[in-house]
Amino acid sequence: EAGVTQFPSHSVIEKGQTVTLRCDPISGHDNLYWYRRVMGKEIKFLLHFVKESKQDESGMPNNRFLAERTGGTYSTLKVQPAELEDSGVYFCASSPDRAFTDTQYFGPGTRLTVL
Amino acid sequence: AQKITQTQPGMFVQEKEAVTLDCTYDTSDPSYGLFWYKQPSSGEMIFLIYQGSYDQQNATEGRYSLNFQKARKSANLVISASQLGDSAMYFCAMRGMTGGFKTIFGAGTRLFVKA
Repeated sequence: EAGVTQFPSHSVIEKGQTVTLRCDPISGHDNLYWYRRVMGKEIKFLLHFVKESKQDESGMPNNRFLAERTGGTYSTLKVQPAELEDSGVYFCASSPDRAFTDTQYFGPGTRLTVL
Repeated sequence: AQKITQTQPGMFVQEKEAVTLDCTYDTSDPSYGLFWYKQPSSGEMIFLIYQGSYDQQNATEGRYSLNFQKARKSANLVISASQLGDSAMYFCAMRGMTGGFKTIFGAGTRLFVKA
C-alpha cells in the first residue's frame, strides 16, 4: 500500500512568488491534515480536511495560505504571495477515521525556502 | 491547553545499548492518545508507537516500548538494543478530545547512536 506522498520535495522561491504544494493521502483515508515546521520550532497544525470539507482550519497563519481538496482525494496548499517567514517543512498526513486514537500517517514533507 | 515537553534536545547512546527519550505532557482531556514518531535525515515522519490513556499496559512495538506513567503525565520512549539506523529526530505527540483531531508535537529529541 502506497503511503502519503508529497510534491515537490523541495521548493526554492523568491519572496512575493506563489508556490503550490501537493499531497496525496493514503487511498481510502478521508482525513487529511497539513502541518508545518519552521526552523527550530515545533511542528504545528495548519488544517484538517474530512473528504473535501475543511473540518478545522484554525492553524492557518493568514489569508496568504489557501488549501483545497477537490473531490476529496489529493490536496493542495497554495502560498500567495510567499514571505520569508513561510520557509519551513510542510507535512501532510492522513488517517482513515477521526478518533483521537487513530494514527496519522505522514508524508515525507516539502521543504520550502523563500529567499 | 495541551502541551508536549521534550527536555532533551540531543542524546547519545552506544550501539546495542538501551536509551530512554523523555516526554511529559499536559492535558485536561479525560481521554487522549500519545504517539512517537521518528524523523531520519531523509525527512519523512515514521510512526513508531501509540499509547491510549486508558490502556492498562505499556505499549510495545519490537524494540520500542513506551513507559507510560499517567499520574506523572509522562510517556517516555525506550529503544532497546540501539542500532546505527536509530540515529534520527524523535517526536512525542498527543491527540485529545478537546484538541480536535490535530496532533500536538513536542520540540523533538535528536538521537545519535555511536558505533
